[in-house]
Amino acid sequence: DTEVTQTPKHLVMGMTNKKSLKCEQHMGHRAMYWYKQKAKKPPELMFVYSYEKLSINESVPSRFSPECPNSSLLNLHLHALQPEDSALYLCASSQGRARGTGGYTFGSGTRLTVV
Amino acid sequence: SQQGEEDPQALSIQEGENATMNCSYKTSINNLQWYRQNSGRGLVHLILIRSNEREKHSGRLRVTLDTSKKSSSLLITASRAADTASYFCATDGVSNTGKLIFGQGTTLQVKP
Repeated sequence: DTEVTQTPKHLVMGMTNKKSLKCEQHMGHRAMYWYKQKAKKPPELMFVYSYEKLSINESVPSRFSPECPNSSLLNLHLHALQPEDSALYLCASSQGRARGTGGYTFGSGTRLTVV
Repeated sequence: SQQGEEDPQALSIQEGENATMNCSYKTSINNLQWYRQNSGRGLVHLILIRSNEREKHSGRLRVTLDTSKKSSSLLITASRAADTASYFCATDGVSNTGKLIFGQGTTLQVKP
């Protein structure tokens, strides 16, 4: 299995809703990432998990809450989002530093619309 | 924060022509990677070049790296309509933090 699977592919939520984005990989990668991408812009790093521990939070608002239940799963919990949070949310994984650098494997993303 | 600039922002060529995209970055790097993105979906890793390498090939792709100028270029030879996509460079810094930072991207259109 050489894929990163993200669900759902599309999500529409109200500003008072709570929802979660899910990401799964079975490549044995020990680093996982959340990126946010607005239209016609590059992906922006949000969070990095290394060996299931949060290692980087790029000053992301607390309405975004990441969780790494195990080495294969990464969640992003969403609560009280704003319309400007509408974007494509991308999950990625990589082997991680201890096992050598390499390219990242990205999922297809969740297109989130906040209404 | 974004690492640097890509040039050009948009490129339109005919099928069979070569496409060259340039990337500049600001800080010291461990490696530089190139990704392709189709229609706002997931990114696909194309090629990685380490800071001690100057040139790398993969199929129709050729990447160069000049660490003294903090720049890289991606050449796609004999382009095809299927190469139409956005291309991003991304840098992996030496600080060992695991942060991969993307450039602004080049939108490539290959006309049949």
